[in-house]
Amino acid sequence: GIQVEQSPPDLILQEGANSTLRCNFSDSVNNLQWFHQNPWGQLINLFYIPSGTKQNGRLSATTVATERYSLLYISSSQTTDSGVYFCAVSNFGNEKLTFGTGTRLTIIP
Amino acid sequence: EPEVTQTPSHQVTQMGQEVILRCVPISNHLYFYWYRQILGQKVEFLVSFYNNEISEKSEIFDDQFSVERPDGSNFTLKIRSTKLEDSAMYFCASSERGYGYTFGSGTRLTVV
Repeated sequence: GIQVEQSPPDLILQEGANSTLRCNFSDSVNNLQWFHQNPWGQLINLFYIPSGTKQNGRLSATTVATERYSLLYISSSQTTDSGVYFCAVSNFGNEKLTFGTGTRLTIIP
Repeated sequence: EPEVTQTPSHQVTQMGQEVILRCVPISNHLYFYWYRQILGQKVEFLVSFYNNEISEKSEIFDDQFSVERPDGSNFTLKIRSTKLEDSAMYFCASSERGYGYTFGSGTRLTVV
């Protein structure tokens, strides 16, 4: 099956800093989503982005499908951004999402 | 924005008991899923459901598990004879082809 790798596994930043999270995947995809898992365990959908670039406030994401990676940018980090960020993909003919192992982001006040 | 609703948010059960986890997917979505996340690990696929039948299941989804859409709105996951290792967060999700998944808030199952 498709493999999903995320880096870095852990990231600790001061409030106000910017960060870039990376997701590499091993095959062509027709779906790629970024999720934020908050301290209560909820999975919050950030972006549906199988290709191209999207922005939502301080967050933006870019997927380069031909090179099989996606990047999530967080600018001016806030403590509420803390949590685990997951990338998840599915490929053609297969509806299930395969999740990466996540990046744990900790924002220090 | 439409939501996927899961109940209960937290359930504690004795080993060997049966549990039913409930989900209300988004009304115009046709694809339904259950995922599981053991504490500290990544989210794993359990089963997908389309057109009133299972379309795919993982090796985790053995005879202990079953899914059902008992009416036009609910989607349930039944776990028979629970084991300690079934303790996890269970997520329901629904999708409309080509538009990504929406996940519910999860049910934290604790087997004691």
